Amino acid sequence: AQSVAQPEDQVNVAEGNPLTVKCTYSVSGNPYLFWYVQYPNRGLQFLLKYITGDNLVKGSYGFEAEFNKSQTSFHLKKPSALVSDSALYFCAVRDSGYSTLTFGKGTMLLVSP
Amino acid sequence: DAGVIQSPRHEVTEMGQEVTLRCKPISGHDYLFWYRQTMMRGLELLIYFNNNVPIDDSGMPEDRFSAKMPNASFSTLKIQPSEPRDSAVYFCASSLYISSTDTQYFGPGTRLTVL
Repeated sequence: AQSVAQPEDQVNVAEGNPLTVKCTYSVSGNPYLFWYVQYPNRGLQFLLKYITGDNLVKGSYGFEAEFNKSQTSFHLKKPSALVSDSALYFCAVRDSGYSTLTFGKGTMLLVSP
Repeated sequence: DAGVIQSPRHEVTEMGQEVTLRCKPISGHDYLFWYRQTMMRGLELLIYFNNNVPIDDSGMPEDRFSAKMPNASFSTLKIQPSEPRDSAVYFCASSLYISSTDTQYFGPGTRLTVL
């Protein structure tokens, strides 16, 4: 079975500060990990994914994520938050033996001016 | 490409009525997915198709829900009869392949309200 957890319902950060949105996963095979962002009244937009190779993955809008196999984590990061980053962020995982994605419940990121 | 297209964007109906949601996947994508998003349950996969054939419908909540894909460019999700607990945002997504590394692309969603 595959599962993913986002332990924080909401993350608050001031503009200009670094941000981290946490994600942990559980798979039986090799994990393939994804981050999506959802702006209000919009669909999910793909941000980045980890397949293999470098543990630090760079994606859209200045976001990056760090894959940590020993901690089974895939935290989303950005060095300097923008108010426009405020949105709902979803982590998703697919086990190497599975065909579908499993999504976390989402973390609301609020960036204050 | 215009991306995944869904219609209508908003639907308000009364309990017992039939509701039909529509989706046009990205051209050339062989896989199509229907998801439901609620506050309580998050994002749930309802059903997915490969080359217009339903592959896994284990996420469809009840027999009131049905989905079809008559051709590569069109899919419908139907609820008959609708109930207030069906109120949610329904997303359609498509992908080129279903390999472990492939990315799904989502439509803007249909917000369904059943009164």
